[in-house]
Amino acid sequence: DTAVSQTPKYLVTQMGNDKSIKCEQNLGHDTMYWYKQDSKKFLKIMFSYNNKELIINETVPNRFSPKSPDKAHLNLHINSLELGDSAVYFCASSQETLGAYEQYFGPGTRLTVT
Amino acid sequence: AQTVTQSQPEMSVQEAETVTLSCTYDTSESDYYLFWYKQPPSRQMILVIRQEAYKQQNATENRFSVNFQKAAKSFSLKISDSQLGDAAMYFCAYRRGGANSKLTFGKGITLSVRP
Repeated sequence: DTAVSQTPKYLVTQMGNDKSIKCEQNLGHDTMYWYKQDSKKFLKIMFSYNNKELIINETVPNRFSPKSPDKAHLNLHINSLELGDSAVYFCASSQETLGAYEQYFGPGTRLTVT
Repeated sequence: AQTVTQSQPEMSVQEAETVTLSCTYDTSESDYYLFWYKQPPSRQMILVIRQEAYKQQNATENRFSVNFQKAAKSFSLKISDSQLGDAAMYFCAYRRGGANSKLTFGKGITLSVRP
């Protein structure tokens, strides 16, 4: 029944490793997003995809690479992890074509880089 | 660029009382949407209420209502009959109209509810 799900919920890893976070939505939405929430709780957009096409690509290091195999999934792969990547990463989705524009968020993935 | 400002980092309210959380924004767009999200300790982001800029009527959702002052670019959230479960961080967010726009968030405000 979960509308937007993310796996894993917690991820602890060492510097230099490569990791992925997966996101799936069962709302039938056409657009998905990745947000980063830093240690001060500030939320900022990273990427968005509409029907598998990259729409928004904020100033994010190219170690971060999103991939959307279909419009229900948006994964985030991070290469060569750094201490500063520690944060909570949220996936979200919305149905843009209907003009409703509400974004629904997943539960977040807390990434800790040691 | 659009900015969203929440100048109060923390607020406290007595259970059953009313509290108002402030938010101001800056934009040159005429078509935009404003939202309040709640983030309890579980960290789940929950949509509380939304307001379309073209609507003059303030949005309401049960105990939650907004005071949307378009000319002043102000968008405050009023919580009536506060409950212990309302304790959370609240984020004000803006997006321009049209498809594929990002949400711009304020820094958030931590609301505590005293029993």
